[in-house]
Amino acid sequence: DTGVSQDPRHKITKRGQNVTFRCDPISEHNRLYWYRQTLGQGPEFLTYFQNEAQLEKSRLLSDRFSAERPKGSFSTLEIQRTEQGDSAMYLCASSPPGVQGSSYNEQFFGPGTRLTVL
Amino acid sequence: SQQGEEDPQALSIQEGENATMNCSYKTSINNLQWYRQNSGRGLVHLILIRSNEREKHSGRLRVTLDTSKKSSSLLITASRAADTASYFCARPLTQGAQKLVFGQGTRLTINP
Repeated sequence: DTGVSQDPRHKITKRGQNVTFRCDPISEHNRLYWYRQTLGQGPEFLTYFQNEAQLEKSRLLSDRFSAERPKGSFSTLEIQRTEQGDSAMYLCASSPPGVQGSSYNEQFFGPGTRLTVL
Repeated sequence: SQQGEEDPQALSIQEGENATMNCSYKTSINNLQWYRQNSGRGLVHLILIRSNEREKHSGRLRVTLDTSKKSSSLLITASRAADTASYFCARPLTQGAQKLVFGQGTRLTINP
């Protein structure tokens, strides 16, 4: 399977614990995105990487959240001191290099990591 | 908060019927995309329509875009049980932006 993969698929943790999720994008894609989705809602943008550079972060991404993409390939999203409000599906997506100036950015999504904070 | 609204929020039809979902937005766009999400899974890209296009087809899917009304519609013809899913429209927050803004989605149920 050459699609976007995410690990783990499910994570249950206790409030206050740290969790880390991993995303492996499609290999030739240089753009990587993290979204969060709560039940009954559409995905909400969290952050975006182009290669290893984190170019945009949402205000939703509090100080407890950090994302990295050290070698411009896989990415990790860490949540420190988890809270019950962090319970959600965390989606990763990737897209290929675009034509300069183009935002025709079809994004390919992974299956998501469902986080439950008890 | 989400920008853009899908209508209806839920739709239940019989297999074989056509399903129409609508999406409205507030700011100028240069493209709009439709995605499908099966329960508890990731999103699948369906169609991207550019602002200079009025209609686009892909198999049983037809998407229209009316930039003057800031609205788009997704039509699924001859629906099948496998079409049961949530459907989302998404657009770049601003022209040239990479960030996609999604609506709340339409939950479509196809009854056999």
